[in-house]
Amino acid sequence: QKEVEQNSGPLSVPEGAIASLNCTYSDRGSQSFFWYRQYSGKSPELIMSIYSNGDKEDGRFTAQLNKASQYVSLLIRDSQPSDSATYLCAVNGESSYKLIFGSGTRLLVRP
Amino acid sequence: EAGVAQSPRYKIIEKRQSVAFWCNPISGHATLYWYQQILGQGPKLLIQFQNNGVVDDSQLPKDRFSAERLKGVDSTLKIQPAKLEDSAVYLCASSLAPGLVIQYFGAGTRLSVL
Repeated sequence: QKEVEQNSGPLSVPEGAIASLNCTYSDRGSQSFFWYRQYSGKSPELIMSIYSNGDKEDGRFTAQLNKASQYVSLLIRDSQPSDSATYLCAVNGESSYKLIFGSGTRLLVRP
Repeated sequence: EAGVAQSPRYKIIEKRQSVAFWCNPISGHATLYWYQQILGQGPKLLIQFQNNGVVDDSQLPKDRFSAERLKGVDSTLKIQPAKLEDSAVYLCASSLAPGLVIQYFGAGTRLSVL
């Protein structure tokens, strides 16, 4: 069974700091990687996708991918209390059709 | 653009009862997914449809769960009979096509089995 691992947290950071969220995956054949944000009681919302090694920046968010290490991360700069949520890492699995989600990291941004 | 619609939002049933959930994907999205999200876990794919055909149902407990997408648009997921461990949020998602594309999620149905 292909797996996606995340630290469940909570990760607590002060407002304005950089939050760093990490994810490892077991399937070396994975090609697409996603970060979803999920507020309590709400559905997942896509915030970043990344397909090639390196960094991808979108506003305050940066996704980093290292396929050799099977590692993907999400950096949130200038963290705001509204960023407090669970962040789900998702990776395509055995075929390109199936997404496998990690269990999520809960982020708390302290005012 | 309207999002993925799901109903009901909440459902409480007793074990051994049956329940059905409905999903209407984003217009034009050929691929529809049903996920189960147990509290504290990430979503787990139950079944994926491409138009009205099943692409993947390897993790669907077929002795009690069934799903259909008869006209390639909206879909129904049914549980019969329900067990306590079926308590979860059932999320429907859709995408333009299968593969390396973005999935958009509905608000989900929170099921409590007593």
